[in-house]
Amino acid sequence: DAEITQSPRHKITETGRQVTLACHQTWNHNNMFWYRQDLGHGLRLIHYSYGVHDTNKGEVSDGYSVSRSNTEDLPLTLESAASSQTSVYFCASSERLAGTGELFFGEGSRLTVL
Amino acid sequence: QKEVEQDPGPLSVPEGAIVSLNCTYSNSAFQYFMWYRQYSRKGPELLMYTYSSGNKEDGRFTAQVDKSSKYISLFIRDSQPSDSATYLCAMSNSGGSNYKLTFGKGTLLTVNP
Repeated sequence: DAEITQSPRHKITETGRQVTLACHQTWNHNNMFWYRQDLGHGLRLIHYSYGVHDTNKGEVSDGYSVSRSNTEDLPLTLESAASSQTSVYFCASSERLAGTGELFFGEGSRLTVL
Repeated sequence: QKEVEQDPGPLSVPEGAIVSLNCTYSNSAFQYFMWYRQYSRKGPELLMYTYSSGNKEDGRFTAQVDKSSKYISLFIRDSQPSDSATYLCAMSNSGGSNYKLTFGKGTLLTVNP
């Protein structure tokens, strides 16, 4: 079965360190997204990609970067982790960008920045 | 005003109760309305979707859209403990280069046996 996997599922890091969260999908979807989910804020879009070598900023992109070198992977990098980036991060993919184009989410990566 | 407003709850009901979850929105361009269900420590999964105004039923779940009032609802009949989850509404415009998908903050529902 096709799926979307995130790693690591849990990570604790220190302020100032670089962190990379991996996302891998086997649906061959062109569209991939990174969200963070925080109490009181819901899901907020960080970065997204509509295809290989395409990346776009979402509503909370400061301090984050992504790269898309192939269809399957969209790693999210925190260049210099801050305590405000403690959150649960979800990767998602979709086949189409129209109407009710369903988003398929990974199980999340819980990041704690001390 | 936020584009999508959703009461975060929490909402606690006894098993068998009828549950009503709601969202309001301000963007008239939204035409597609979705409900995602998120179990604890899992990613959201699409539960139901509707296009424009009207009702859609799927088993114990009914999604309702009132575009004139900019109000959407999800009804759960005969609620079960397995329905305990966070429910997120989501809305999108018609697509194309200006595609926009917006989530509500989610409502935490607990169904007590």
